[in-house]
Amino acid sequence: EIVLTQSPGTVSLSPGERATLSCRASQSVSSSYLVWYQQKPGQAPRLLIYGASSRATGIPDRFTGSGSGTDFTLTISRLEPEDFAVYYCQQFGRTFGQGTKLEIK
Amino acid sequence: QVQLVQSGAEVKKPGASMKVSCKASGYTLTNYGVNWVRQAPGQGLEWMGWISPYNGNTNYAQKLHGRVTMTTDTSTNTAYMELRSLRSDDTAVYYCARGKQLYDAFDIWGQGTMVTVSS
Repeated sequence: EIVLTQSPGTVSLSPGERATLSCRASQSVSSSYLVWYQQKPGQAPRLLIYGASSRATGIPDRFTGSGSGTDFTLTISRLEPEDFAVYYCQQFGRTFGQGTKLEIK
Repeated sequence: QVQLVQSGAEVKKPGASMKVSCKASGYTLTNYGVNWVRQAPGQGLEWMGWISPYNGNTNYAQKLHGRVTMTTDTSTNTAYMELRSLRSDDTAVYYCARGKQLYDAFDIWGQGTMVTVSS
């Protein structure tokens, strides 16, 4: 079973800063099936990125997904107050990473 | 408006069974798969399985094999997830989520159903 490891576990940044979140797979993953979700407290997750780099409907262009093979990255170019949340990567519609909490500094 | 609306919170005794419903609106259930994902309090997301409402095909997480059954009722556009022999570590929020095919991204999520297992 493929294990996804996200880093850092928690990151503290200020609005306007750039966030770089990592998702590393224990073995190579097809980019077509690497997905990122955002989850805010008390809410269901929301699809952000699919196919490693395609933004879902309505997702602002400050969110960028990249990577291939075993290393994938979610970049948020200029943090807005509403971006502070937990982010999960997922592969092949099943295994999730453990999440990265993005908190306000 | 495309949405998934789940049934309400439940409290169950250890050893009992639970059954959560997920009603789709704004689209035809048979055109998309339905995934079930759970999240224990303060923890991450765990994929439980997938069902195709089109043909009833299922794919369950190995960890839950034998305890979980996913079904759909296409006449009411509703999906169901039943979990048996409940334990305290089954306490979680349970989500249904739409995915076009097995392995695809989950683009629409239900609001979640809190299930507490406690004696």
